[in-house]
Amino acid sequence: AQSVTQLGSHVSVSEGALVLLRCNYSSSVPPYLFWYVQYPNQGLQLLLKYTSAATLVKGINGFEAEFKKSETSFHLTKPSAHMSDAAEYFCAVRTSGAGSYQLTFGKGTKLSVIP
Amino acid sequence: GAVVSQHPSRVICKSGTSVKIECRSLDFQATTMFWYRQFPKQSLMLMATSNEGSKATYEQGVEKDKFLINHASLTLSTLTVTSAHPEDSSFYICSARELAAYEQYFGPGTRLTVT
Repeated sequence: AQSVTQLGSHVSVSEGALVLLRCNYSSSVPPYLFWYVQYPNQGLQLLLKYTSAATLVKGINGFEAEFKKSETSFHLTKPSAHMSDAAEYFCAVRTSGAGSYQLTFGKGTKLSVIP
Repeated sequence: GAVVSQHPSRVICKSGTSVKIECRSLDFQATTMFWYRQFPKQSLMLMATSNEGSKATYEQGVEKDKFLINHASLTLSTLTVTSAHPEDSSFYICSARELAAYEQYFGPGTRLTVT
């Protein structure tokens, strides 16, 4: 069974500092991996996805993630944090079930940006 | 881009009553829709997967008689919480996926409060 683990339920960074949100996956097959962002009382917005093409994936809002098979990781980074990046971030892996592909989410990491 | 709407965004109901939440794909045909539940400061938990024209497949531990899901058309799925109780209070999020697509597009969520 595929799963993802997000390390750190809460990350604080200063405005302008590097953002690093960690996600490790477990999968017996090549995984499809996703990062989503959720603002308070809103649904999820896709930041980026890895679907077995390029290992360095660029997403929206300046975020990117690198798929590292040797480390079973898919960490999310952004060179310079903005106040507007404060939100909850979820890593997810595509799994199969119920005759369809589903998403299994990590527990989430809340990102706080300090002025 | 693909847009999914949910209605209502917030609902308050009395214990024992039923509440219906609608999920619509506005600009694409959603062959599969998903319903999630999210408790405060927690991740999304998949409740059920529904394919258009078929009965929904519920995840283990989800009461199918309490959470009625209908996916009668390619653009609309409904979740009805029957005989709601305060413990059903939660944030309910739907998502939708096109046939053979990787991505799920998420609705903005519905905040249900049962008094």
